[in-house]
Amino acid sequence: EAGVTQFPSHSVIEKGQTVTLRCDPISGHDNLYWYRRVMGKEIKFLLHFVKESKQDESGMPNNRFLAERTGGTYSTLKVQPAELEDSGVYFCASSQDHTGRRETQYFGPGTRLLVL
Amino acid sequence: AQSVTQPDIHITVSEGASLELRCNYSYGATPYLFWYVQSPGQGLQLLLKYFSGDTLVQGIKGFEAEFKRSQSSFNLRKPSVHWSDAAEYFCAVGAPHNNNDMRFGAGTRLTVKP
Repeated sequence: EAGVTQFPSHSVIEKGQTVTLRCDPISGHDNLYWYRRVMGKEIKFLLHFVKESKQDESGMPNNRFLAERTGGTYSTLKVQPAELEDSGVYFCASSQDHTGRRETQYFGPGTRLLVL
Repeated sequence: AQSVTQPDIHITVSEGASLELRCNYSYGATPYLFWYVQSPGQGLQLLLKYFSGDTLVQGIKGFEAEFKRSQSSFNLRKPSVHWSDAAEYFCAVGAPHNNNDMRFGAGTRLTVKP
């Protein structure tokens, strides 16, 4: 069974540019999560999709970040325009959907974003 | 809201020595607890999890963790460390009936000396 995949693995952009990160969850997983780890600090929750719907986006830092999951399969996270403080590792995770019960989240390798 | 503290940023142990990584959590009820490991260039891999039942949890790669409610701790242990265990380890806590809102610690980086 293929795991969670993320593309690209690394991205280096200049301040003010736009970057789009992609996540492909494990097939059949309705839950998809985005997390971010900035400068060696803790991994922080950004948002959660259930299928194509945003269940919780309370962790999104500001309106420069836009996440989509059209069709309920893969997801994209766009940062526009990027700022220096957006640098970090962006993780995606997925889990099966059993309402009312926590399921284990499986993580991708992350995208390392550097904004210069 | 729940939170996780990993007091040790970096730990160095000799190969073959025992290992204990500390994790303390803050949560109003019994949480779900996890340990993940991230090797260089890899994603976060689940080592073990505690949902309920036996407080001593066995995981992959010879790791175990013990949930101690009185101490709000979920420390990770391994009796004999291998060089391949060098990685970064993350403790995480989640609410039992909520698929959202998982909180991670800042991570502990493990170096293994030959």
